Amino acid sequence: DAKTTQPTSMDCAEGRAANLPCNHSTISGNEYVYWYRQIHSQGPQYIIHGLKNNETNEMASLIITEDRKSSTLILPHATLRDTAVYYCIVRVSYGNKLVFGAGTILRVKS
Amino acid sequence: NAGVTQTPKFRVLKTGQSMTLLCAQDMNHEYMYWYRQDPGMGLRLIHYSVGEGTTAKGEVPDGYNVSRLKKQNFLLGLESAAPSQTSVYFCASSSGLAGGRRHGDNEQFFGPGTRLTVL
Repeated sequence: DAKTTQPTSMDCAEGRAANLPCNHSTISGNEYVYWYRQIHSQGPQYIIHGLKNNETNEMASLIITEDRKSSTLILPHATLRDTAVYYCIVRVSYGNKLVFGAGTILRVKS
Repeated sequence: NAGVTQTPKFRVLKTGQSMTLLCAQDMNHEYMYWYRQDPGMGLRLIHYSVGEGTTAKGEVPDGYNVSRLKKQNFLLGLESAAPSQTSVYFCASSSGLAGGRRHGDNEQFFGPGTRLTVL
């Protein structure tokens, strides 16, 4: 599975959009980009995943560049409850194993 | 649905003691996983199972054993606990559908975690 690079931490004002970047320059054609988050002391929670098209669900949007070497997770209106560690994971769909890096600590401030 | 549950929530062991962590899921998932998470780090896969009666090693399997006698349960055993095994343990399950593009396909659902301290 391709490795990912994420900033260590980010701050965001409550009510504003939070844009979390992820670099995955060695991604292969059959690898998906997955995002999970982990709120303090809880188990990780699935957010969204995509292959090459942009994706949106009730939680977030995922923007993947045309060359697929990077992506951005967008939380459109961040709340204090969105404060968490966000993990960007790249893997094949059928592999089913997740390899977690250190992630990005997102702090939403009022 | 309870989702994924873990027993116990907390445990303190002395070096050399043994224990079993229990994970249960009620979503009829084929795949189950055990991870550990050390302070300030991401999760690391210990063992996983792709179906009842099967198990496989993950990234950090040494010092642990697992069993999947029933589809809904996945047990993690420590035969002789060591201080290096002090960690938070998370169990997860997934449907294991290959190539799924629908929301939830290949999504892993995690339990609340077990905080283990080995003295």
